[in-house]
Amino acid sequence: DIQMTQSPSTLSASVGDRVTITCRASQSISSYLAWYQHKPGKPPNLLIYKSSSLQSGVPSRFSGSGSGTEFTLTIGSLQPDDFATYYCQQYSSYPLTFGGGTKVEIK
Amino acid sequence: QVQLQESGPGLVKPSETLSLTCTVSGASVSSYYWSWIRQPPGKGLEWISYMQHTGSINYNASLKGRVTMSIATSPNQFSLQLNSVTAADTAVYFCARRAPPENYFDFWGQGILVTVSS
Repeated sequence: DIQMTQSPSTLSASVGDRVTITCRASQSISSYLAWYQHKPGKPPNLLIYKSSSLQSGVPSRFSGSGSGTEFTLTIGSLQPDDFATYYCQQYSSYPLTFGGGTKVEIK
Repeated sequence: QVQLQESGPGLVKPSETLSLTCTVSGASVSSYYWSWIRQPPGKGLEWISYMQHTGSINYNASLKGRVTMSIATSPNQFSLQLNSVTAADTAVYFCARRAPPENYFDFWGQGILVTVSS
């Protein structure tokens, strides 16, 4: 199985900050990586697919980059609605696997 | 807008079968692949399975053949059965739509907590 490792596990930031979350794969997954935002009691929300493609309706302050084994999700200017947990997911091979999550908290 | 809603018992006894249903609105279950994903308390997300109405199906091997999925076009639903459950199967279970033609998920349900306990 491909292991996905996210860092940090928790991140404290302020509104307006630029935030970067890292996701590393245990082997190359090309660009087959998605990012999700999850808030308690709500469905996870797809943000980014194919490493850097922005899902329709997602604000442009979200961006993704990377290929192979190292990927990043960047929030250009953190907004109050962005405090949530973020997950990466590889879809290069089965079983599909997720990172452990990064919780973005208010500083 | 596509919406998914999980339903089923919130408490299952050890060794019994966990059964959940996902009701879909805004999309036909005949037209996409559908998945189950779970999240044990305090842990990350784990993909369980996906299925298409034609019968194409894929399971996470870690669940060792305990999983069955089915799709019903009327009403617009799909289901999950997980046999011989233990406390380790306690989790929030999500249903989701696989974004065609790739293996990420573009619409999710809000999740249902299932506790395995006697």
